[in-house]
Amino acid sequence: DGGITQSPKYLFRKEGQNVTLSCEQNLNHDAMYWYRQDPGQGLRLIYYSQIVNDFQKGDIAEGYSVSREKKESFPLTVTSAQKNPTAFYLCASSISGQGDYQPQHFGDGTRLSIL
Amino acid sequence: AQSVAQPEDQVNVAEGNPLTVKCTYSVSGNPYLFWYVQYPNRGLQFLLKYITGDNLVKGSYGFEAEFNKSQTSFHLKKPSALVSDSALYFCAVREGGGGFKTIFGAGTRLFVKA
Repeated sequence: DGGITQSPKYLFRKEGQNVTLSCEQNLNHDAMYWYRQDPGQGLRLIYYSQIVNDFQKGDIAEGYSVSREKKESFPLTVTSAQKNPTAFYLCASSISGQGDYQPQHFGDGTRLSIL
Repeated sequence: AQSVAQPEDQVNVAEGNPLTVKCTYSVSGNPYLFWYVQYPNRGLQFLLKYITGDNLVKGSYGFEAEFNKSQTSFHLKKPSALVSDSALYFCAVREGGGGFKTIFGAGTRLFVKA
């Protein structure tokens, strides 16, 4: 079945450490997104990519970085500059980007905690 | 700027009763509206969307939503609630004018009691 796979499901970060969250999709979607979910705040956009080798900052990009070297993959790195990284991170994809009003498909998330 | 408001943090309903989860929006241009559901420790699942056409939109699992342009609302409804409907529900609006971002509401937790 087609879908989005996020790994790991749970991740722990030590102080000063960078960690990378994996997101892979086999839906042949062009657009991919990373969101951060905190209780009572809905989803906030971190980064998005409309096409391979291109990505844009979202509303809360500081302390995060991404790459989009392959259509299927959009990994997110949480750097040591992100001082409050504890959250539930969701990856999503959609058929295409601008002008497209198809829904987004979501992975099952990675829960990141600080040790 | 686009925005979405879900005025209720929580909605409680008895099984078999109708349910409504409220959503209001603010958007320039035509609104493109979505409802998603999230179960514990899972990603969001798409329920339904309004792009244009009939004001009553039918979606997955027996849910429907009513678009009201004059009240800028897009309330989610179901005629008869199930215990399994208990989850977190998000309303979302897509930027108009060819914009790219989707703005999500803060979510409403639905509890259906047997």
